[in-house]
Amino acid sequence: DIQMTQSPSSVSASVGDRVTITCRASQDISSWLAWYQQKPGKAPKLLIYAASSLQSGVPSRFSGSGYGTDFTLTISSLQPEDFATYFCQQANTFPYTFGQGTKLEIK
Amino acid sequence: EVQLVQSGAEVKKPGESLRISCKGSGYSFTSYWISWVRQMPGKGLEWMGRIDPSDSYTSYSPSFQGHVTISAGKSITTAYLEWSSLKASDTAMYYCARGRSSGNYYGMDVWGQGTTVTVSS
Repeated sequence: DIQMTQSPSSVSASVGDRVTITCRASQDISSWLAWYQQKPGKAPKLLIYAASSLQSGVPSRFSGSGYGTDFTLTISSLQPEDFATYFCQQANTFPYTFGQGTKLEIK
Repeated sequence: EVQLVQSGAEVKKPGESLRISCKGSGYSFTSYWISWVRQMPGKGLEWMGRIDPSDSYTSYSPSFQGHVTISAGKSITTAYLEWSSLKASDTAMYYCARGRSSGNYYGMDVWGQGTTVTVSS
């Protein structure tokens, strides 16, 4: 299985901060990567697909980059509604696998 | 409106069987595959497997292969996740989600609301 490793596991930040979350794949996954946001008690929400494409309806402060094994999710200016847990997921090879998650907390 | 609506919460005993459902509406059901994702209490997301409703081709994670069965009825636009013998460790929230990959990966863009399964004696 391809292992997806996110860092950090948790981060504290303030409204208006720029935050970057990284995701590393254990082998080359090209651009077959998505990012999701999950709030407590809710289903995940797709933010980014194909590593860098913004899902329709997602604010432009979210962006994704990377190719191969190293990927990043950046939130350019944190808003109160962005405090949540974020997951990366690869779909290059079965079984699809998720990162362990990054919890973004209010400082 | 495009949506996936899952069946309601279940409470079962170890050894019992269970089938939960995920009904799609508002889109061409056979144009997207359906994945099932497990989330154990307080934990992350685990991809269990997926089905292509157009031909019922399934792929499973080795972690779940042999313990669950994924199926779909395209005429009723519904996917299923089934257990023949539940264990206490199956206690979790289960999500279905639709996805598409054609030359690239478009992510899982629509998710069901989740079905809570509790297995306890």
